[in-house]
Amino acid sequence: DAGVTQSPTHLIKTRGQHVTLRCSPISGHKSVSWYQQVLGQGPQFIFQYYEKEERGRGNFPDRFSARQFPNYSSELNVNALLLGDSALYLCASSQYSNQPQHFGDGTRLSIL
Amino acid sequence: AQSVTQPDIHITVSEGASLELRCNYSYGATPYLFWYVQSPGQGLQLLLKYFSGDTLVQGIKGFEAEFKRSQSSFNLRKPSVHWSDAAEYFCAVELRAGSYQLTFGKGTKLSVIP
Repeated sequence: DAGVTQSPTHLIKTRGQHVTLRCSPISGHKSVSWYQQVLGQGPQFIFQYYEKEERGRGNFPDRFSARQFPNYSSELNVNALLLGDSALYLCASSQYSNQPQHFGDGTRLSIL
Repeated sequence: AQSVTQPDIHITVSEGASLELRCNYSYGATPYLFWYVQSPGQGLQLLLKYFSGDTLVQGIKGFEAEFKRSQSSFNLRKPSVHWSDAAEYFCAVELRAGSYQLTFGKGTKLSVIP
């Protein structure tokens, strides 16, 4: 079975632009979560979606938004990019609440 | 505030030596506990998890971890380290069961000397 897939792998943007990152969960997984990992730090929780509904939001500004589609794939959108948004963005999926999350390889976003 | 602490930023061990990576959490109840490993430029791979029951849990790649409620700790161990274990290790907690929201420590980078 395919794991969590994320696209694109790498992305370079300039300040003020917006970006859309995509995630396909493991087949059968209905929960998708997004994390931001700044260089040298552990991942920080951004959003969690379950059955297309937002179930959790971390301490991130409103420039960050996300959605989940009927096929359980998900998009993370970031508007008005800042230099500090440069990070590895990780997507994780899970089947049930008592099952661990499985992570994709991430999208490396660089802001110039 | 709830937090996860990994006191060691960087650990170097010789190949074949034993390993213990420390993790402490600050939270009133017993959360779900995880250890993940991350190789450079890659995502996170789950090593093991603790939800309830036996406090000594076995994971992949020969790793184990022990949950100690009295110390709010969940330390990761391996009896004999291989060069391929060099990576960054993250302890994580799910503070509210079923929340899917993981809080991670800052990670411990493991270097292995041949």
